[in-house]
Amino acid sequence: NAGVTQTPKFRVLKTGQSMTLLCAQDMNHEYMYWYRQDPGMGLRLIHYSVGEGTTAKGEVPDGYNVSRLKKQNFLLGLESAAPSQTSVYFCASRRTEANTGELFFGEGSRLTVL
Amino acid sequence: GNSVTQMEGPVTLSEEAFLTINCTYTATGYPSLFWYVQYPGEGLQLLLKATKADDKGSNKGFEATYRKETTSFHLEKGSVQVSDSAVYFCALSSGGSNYKLTFGKGTLLTVNP
Repeated sequence: NAGVTQTPKFRVLKTGQSMTLLCAQDMNHEYMYWYRQDPGMGLRLIHYSVGEGTTAKGEVPDGYNVSRLKKQNFLLGLESAAPSQTSVYFCASRRTEANTGELFFGEGSRLTVL
Repeated sequence: GNSVTQMEGPVTLSEEAFLTINCTYTATGYPSLFWYVQYPGEGLQLLLKATKADDKGSNKGFEATYRKETTSFHLEKGSVQVSDSAVYFCALSSGGSNYKLTFGKGTLLTVNP
């Protein structure tokens, strides 16, 4: 019963470096999301996907790219990291049924950009 | 657009005290409303939900009633425990965006023994 798994859990980058966060879910969910959590800002949606091969922008997409090549995986990429991207990143997934609303979250990935 | 406003914390209570965390919303259509909880070092998990006006969601002693007339969904618990210490998020999903949730900024609750 793994649910939603994020890797890595911690990472320190230098400005300008690139990296990819991996999210994997084993619940056969169609919808997947990437949020960032910052103090005093709550959760803000970066990108989301409503199915394999589809992605869409959320509230704060700039500086990030995503891919959903397989239904169970949702990757978040930073091509050129900036200190403003220091944050805790959460992946989430949900079932297709309309308006159930329940998101299942991973444990988070803490990223520090120096 | 959709938005959620919840009371700013932090909130500090003694064990067995009564808890209220206020949440109001702005949304198009008829939103579903949620409370999520984040325990230290963990991801968020659904605490309770209500999908139509006057519904009451409840779980683990927490309750919230969907009040359309006041656009509110306040979280309450009659007697908090130390283990309730966490960050609580109010959220909504609405209309054509019902595959996305809009979250409030979160309220940190600390319960002291």
